[in-house]
Amino acid sequence: GAVVSQHPSRVICKSGTSVKIECRSLDFQATTMFWYRQFPKQSLMLMATSNEGSKATYEQGVEKDKFLINHASLTLSTLTVTSAHPEDSSFYICSARLPRDRATEAFFGQGTRLTVV
Amino acid sequence: AQSVAQPEDQVNVAEGNPLTVKCTYSVSGNPYLFWYVQYPNRGLQFLLKYITGDNLVKGSYGFEAEFNKSQTSFHLKKPSALVSDSALYFCAVSSGGYNKLIFGAGTRLAVHP
Repeated sequence: GAVVSQHPSRVICKSGTSVKIECRSLDFQATTMFWYRQFPKQSLMLMATSNEGSKATYEQGVEKDKFLINHASLTLSTLTVTSAHPEDSSFYICSARLPRDRATEAFFGQGTRLTVV
Repeated sequence: AQSVAQPEDQVNVAEGNPLTVKCTYSVSGNPYLFWYVQYPNRGLQFLLKYITGDNLVKGSYGFEAEFNKSQTSFHLKKPSALVSDSALYFCAVSSGGYNKLIFGAGTRLAVHP
């Protein structure tokens, strides 16, 4: 199957700083990537849909200025958590689906554990 | 709006016994249904999907799922559980033009020796 690589896998940052998480599709071009957030013992919450070359589509309740998403190329999307606070600590996961084929499964990155201290 | 329900937070089964993890869905139009598994601090791994065709779908690691349109269900099954199957399982549905997946709350499977 297709490979999605997410980096870093774990990051600890100080409150008030910004953190960037990268999501790369290694062997296919992803016009659309998805960013999820997962709280302990809970399901994945879709945060936003990242579209190559255009603005991301955010889900209701997700702060656009807090979680900046950039999808500058067909293989890379980034999520920047700005002015991070302890409540932003979570597990963030990206995924991508092959373009123009909604029937395929999504391919997931390995996730990023963010801890804000 | 589309939604997925996994009614069980946890399923316990003895090794060698059959297992079932339940999933029901609600979506307008034809559903595209998926099962994923997640190990601690890892991303999700694809197990199987139903798009069209046979209602019984076979997937990775000996898992299978049965699509039941009348009951709007897509339960995950395995004839003989392994301790290594212990993990968090997610059911997901896709519909509409945005290709996004909506996930259920997840079911933790615990297989005891």
